[in-house]
Amino acid sequence: ETGVTQTPRHLVMGMTNKKSLKCEQHLGHNAMYWYKQSAKKPLELMFVYNFKEQTENNSVPSRFSPECPNSSHLFLHLHTLQPEDSALYLCASSQPSGVYTQYFGPGTRLTVL
Amino acid sequence: KNEVEQSPQNLTAQEGEFITINCSYSVGISALHWLQQHPGGGIVSLFMLSSGKKKHGRLIATINIQEKHSSLHITASHPRDSAVYICAVLNTGNQFYFGTGTSLTVIP
Repeated sequence: ETGVTQTPRHLVMGMTNKKSLKCEQHLGHNAMYWYKQSAKKPLELMFVYNFKEQTENNSVPSRFSPECPNSSHLFLHLHTLQPEDSALYLCASSQPSGVYTQYFGPGTRLTVL
Repeated sequence: KNEVEQSPQNLTAQEGEFITINCSYSVGISALHWLQQHPGGGIVSLFMLSSGKKKHGRLIATINIQEKHSSLHITASHPRDSAVYICAVLNTGNQFYFGTGTSLTVIP
């Protein structure tokens, strides 16, 4: 049990669908992160939230829309995705800022048809 | 060119062998992380260090700030150590950079 949970664990969606990924942490952290991991590529940091405020958006296409309603929950809303968006999406949390150890969720394996 | 380079990309070892994975980076950093990713995707943070050396069980991580280099050592390797090991650095501008990972297979 890592303290960071993600749902769903697997998701298959069409290019016209709208879906959301959910992340929840029970560690009392105030920073949460979304990462994308594509095959044979380094982890890509997508979004960072500190104290519910988005502090980083690494040139992520607008078809990915994050939401952080409170320090314990993070969502990634998906719409009109492309097949190349198929990847493992990982959520992590830490004390504020990246100097602290990050705790990762198990990831959501997304396939876009 | 990636800001973080790892070597080797793939490594196969016999159980019991001493293993070293290397990470070189080209940016000024405030911290370096070693992560372990098992098949299925789950990632565990092994170490976060900004100087010197840390040890946890059979794992040892070292960093040389002047040479911009870090190593992860596994002593007495075991098949359950089989995983992808990822080096990540946080630069002084608070940006993360990740290596492509080293895939380790330990054979019984």
